[in-house]
Amino acid sequence: SQKIEQNSEALNIQEGKTATLTCNYTNYSPAYLQWYRQDPGRGPVFLLLIRENEKEKRKERLKVTFDTTLKQSLFHITASQPADSATYLCASRGNTGFQKLVFGTGTRLLVSP
Amino acid sequence: DAGVIQSPRHEVTEMGQEVTLRCKPISGHDYLFWYRQTMMRGLELLIYFNNNVPIDDSGMPEDRFSAKMPNASFSTLKIQPSEPRDSAVYFCASSSGHRDSPYEQYFGPGTRLTVT
Repeated sequence: SQKIEQNSEALNIQEGKTATLTCNYTNYSPAYLQWYRQDPGRGPVFLLLIRENEKEKRKERLKVTFDTTLKQSLFHITASQPADSATYLCASRGNTGFQKLVFGTGTRLLVSP
Repeated sequence: DAGVIQSPRHEVTEMGQEVTLRCKPISGHDYLFWYRQTMMRGLELLIYFNNNVPIDDSGMPEDRFSAKMPNASFSTLKIQPSEPRDSAVYFCASSSGHRDSPYEQYFGPGTRLTVT
């Protein structure tokens, strides 16, 4: 079955550095991937979407890449700030319906001042 | 727009009781999703609707769970009877767009359910 995997260990980095989070998928080829941010006690918030025919997408300090050969997406936050501390979720299309998403378990990012 | 609205925000109930969670999607959105989030299993899709019609309920754990969407602005998720293993945060989300267009989903604040 389709599987989305994210590193379950928290990522600790220093303010100002670039954070890189990984999303791997197996057993299928998603047409797109989405990245969401989730703060404690809140629902996920959409950040970026990248399609299979796109290598890279940017939005302000955020950058997402999509490598269909490696079956992997990387999510980068440049010049990270303590306010970027949150859990980041990767999601891709399920096997029925374009709107159905399968989520990874998320990676917690901690940015220290 | 107020975003996706869920109620209640917290629910504590005893095993065997009926629980009803409510959701009001963003006006104009034609897709509505119900998710469950736990530490062990992450965020799981339970069911989703398109134009008030259930499209995929394969994630509904068992017959104790049911969901309805009587109109475009309201949906319920019911658990009867509830069990301690149903304790989780339940999210409602909505989105708009054509069937072949993967628009982002907008999530509500969630309902934290505790079944004792």
